Amino acid sequence: NAGVTQTPKFRILKIGQSMTLQCTQDMNHNYMYWYRQDPGMGLKLIYYSVGAGITDKGEVPNGYNVSRSTTEDFPLRLELAAPSQTSVYFCASRLSSGSGADTQYFGPGTRLTVL
Amino acid sequence: AQSVTQLGSHVSVSEGALVLLRCNYSSSVPPYLFWYVQYPNQGLQLLLKYTSAATLVKGINGFEAEFKKSETSFHLTKPSAHMSDAAEYFCAVSDRRAQKLVFGQGTRLTINP
Repeated sequence: NAGVTQTPKFRILKIGQSMTLQCTQDMNHNYMYWYRQDPGMGLKLIYYSVGAGITDKGEVPNGYNVSRSTTEDFPLRLELAAPSQTSVYFCASRLSSGSGADTQYFGPGTRLTVL
Repeated sequence: AQSVTQLGSHVSVSEGALVLLRCNYSSSVPPYLFWYVQYPNQGLQLLLKYTSAATLVKGINGFEAEFKKSETSFHLTKPSAHMSDAAEYFCAVSDRRAQKLVFGQGTRLTINP
């Protein structure tokens, strides 16, 4: 049971390039999340999904896109990279019981630098 | 809207000393509250969570937190700090629709030998 896996671990992009951050979970969790972490700012939610085919915006969605075609995978797409997207990106998943008490499980993160 | 405030972005204690990390929350409904820990270059992992079953919650690695409704607080404590506790700690509250977590800014804990 690998939990939540993310690839790549590190990436350097040039301004205007595109890339997809991959996230996979093997726990059959219905909810999945993408966060970005900037120093001193905590974690900000970019997008989340409550199940395959359903996604919704979080607090900071601009410049990103997501899709969820399967339960396991939740890729995050950056279309036109900008220096402001330099950050550490975390994917998380959760098995929803209908309450807010469920634990979110996090991947190891992707460190992205845009130059 | 739900929110959390962590008082102190950086806390430094000596090895063996008490650890106290502060978290205050704002919630219009009875909250679910969480403490997560992030070790260097790793993802977050759950330390403990409050789900209204008991106000004093015990977590992993000797940490505990007490839910105080009158003070809207959920401070994290550990009686005796260990070098391995050096990490960043995040307090979080579940949103009203129970779909998302709202995180505090984080507190970096440094342990001095």
